[in-house]
Amino acid sequence: SQQGEEDPQALSIQEGENATMNCSYKTSINNLQWYRQNSGRGLVHLILIRSNEREKHSGRLRVTLDTSKKSSSLLITASRAADTASYFCAQIVGSNYKLTFGKGTLLTVNP
Amino acid sequence: DTAVSQTPKYLVTQMGNDKSIKCEQNLGHDTMYWYKQDSKKFLKIMFSYNNKELIINETVPNRFSPKSPDKAHLNLHINSLELGDSAVYFCASSQQTGEKLFFGSGTQLSVL
Repeated sequence: SQQGEEDPQALSIQEGENATMNCSYKTSINNLQWYRQNSGRGLVHLILIRSNEREKHSGRLRVTLDTSKKSSSLLITASRAADTASYFCAQIVGSNYKLTFGKGTLLTVNP
Repeated sequence: DTAVSQTPKYLVTQMGNDKSIKCEQNLGHDTMYWYKQDSKKFLKIMFSYNNKELIINETVPNRFSPKSPDKAHLNLHINSLELGDSAVYFCASSQQTGEKLFFGSGTQLSVL
């Protein structure tokens, strides 16, 4: 069953703008991960944030985690056309550490 | 060097055929996975192996059989292919279960 859900499903912005994507999940987590998928490619890991962390940065990426609201957000600052991709959040579910993905947000950055 | 490689990249076949997809990782990881991505981009885990032992086996038709000859390889064999099997299949690996995954580039399976 699907654990998480990204919002919005699609987002279109201009180059240079910031992009924010949200992820909500249902059950307690061990960690939450964000991945990027360019068209026709495999997924690439971006950031892993653990349940006892509230914020993490990596370059132009900033991830926050609010376990009380069971939600996370991914912020991409100063977006570039090359950031155009689908972005997925994923959570560990169950004692066998199954990583379960949401349906993704399709981000389009217009030059 | 490609960290997680899977072959073939494209697979076009007729209904009823049997086919295999191979996956190899050179990262020294203990855990390997098969995911299926449908036309709506929804990713669903199928199987996971840790040190050649099956640890996740989702509700997948038994026409799908994973085989892990060693820690670096996880192959997927599919019998009696059906139209609904058409999808992109991704292999992935991680150092430990629950940690970040490294994905292959996918195998696009089209069943005609």
